[in-house]
Amino acid sequence: TQLLEQSPQFLSIQEGENLTVYCNSSSVFSSLQWYRQEPGEGPVLLVTVVTGGEVKKLKRLTFQFGDARKDSSLHITAAQPGDTGLYLCAGTYNFNKFYFGSGTKLNVKP
Amino acid sequence: DAGVIQSPRHEVTEMGQEVTLRCKPISGHDYLFWYRQTMMRGLELLIYFNNNVPIDDSGMPEDRFSAKMPNASFSTLKIQPSEPRDSAVYFCASSWVGGRISTYNEQFFGPGTRLTVL
Repeated sequence: TQLLEQSPQFLSIQEGENLTVYCNSSSVFSSLQWYRQEPGEGPVLLVTVVTGGEVKKLKRLTFQFGDARKDSSLHITAAQPGDTGLYLCAGTYNFNKFYFGSGTKLNVKP
Repeated sequence: DAGVIQSPRHEVTEMGQEVTLRCKPISGHDYLFWYRQTMMRGLELLIYFNNNVPIDDSGMPEDRFSAKMPNASFSTLKIQPSEPRDSAVYFCASSWVGGRISTYNEQFFGPGTRLTVL
């Protein structure tokens, strides 16, 4: 049983479309991170959210931390083939030990 | 900086053999993490160190797994004896927290070691 459930598990869209990935838990986290992983490589940190209700933007990516700090979402506007990859959320209680979600595999077709 | 370095990148071994995975963290980082990634279980934390001291090894599957960090620039994860169910990609990650309030603990991952146990 995963502490963090991500949905959807797989997403295949056309270039230019918008999408949202969700990360849900019944636990309250001190902070939550989003990573992107490409085949054959390790995950790379995209963002950290700490405050309930916090919204952070990274170019076409918008990250939101739920008010109760139990869930988060990642919204991508006008997806591009370069956005293809595995998106992972990770939550922590003590800022050191991270629990990773099951991942969302995104494929953006040109 | 070269980033986190892991070796070997690929390892194929037979059941019962000893396997040693190696990691060189980013210079100056004070935390080191070992993870395992499989399709079924995703990315799982096995153990992490702070200033070379193991802090939490509750994710280590069983006594067949052991990890050491003899100094700040080197860590090993050993599996003895290995079993087919140990087949996975093993990642090492490091981060720097220092004395800060660690709200932004950014982990830098290595490229991983793909282990296949036949």
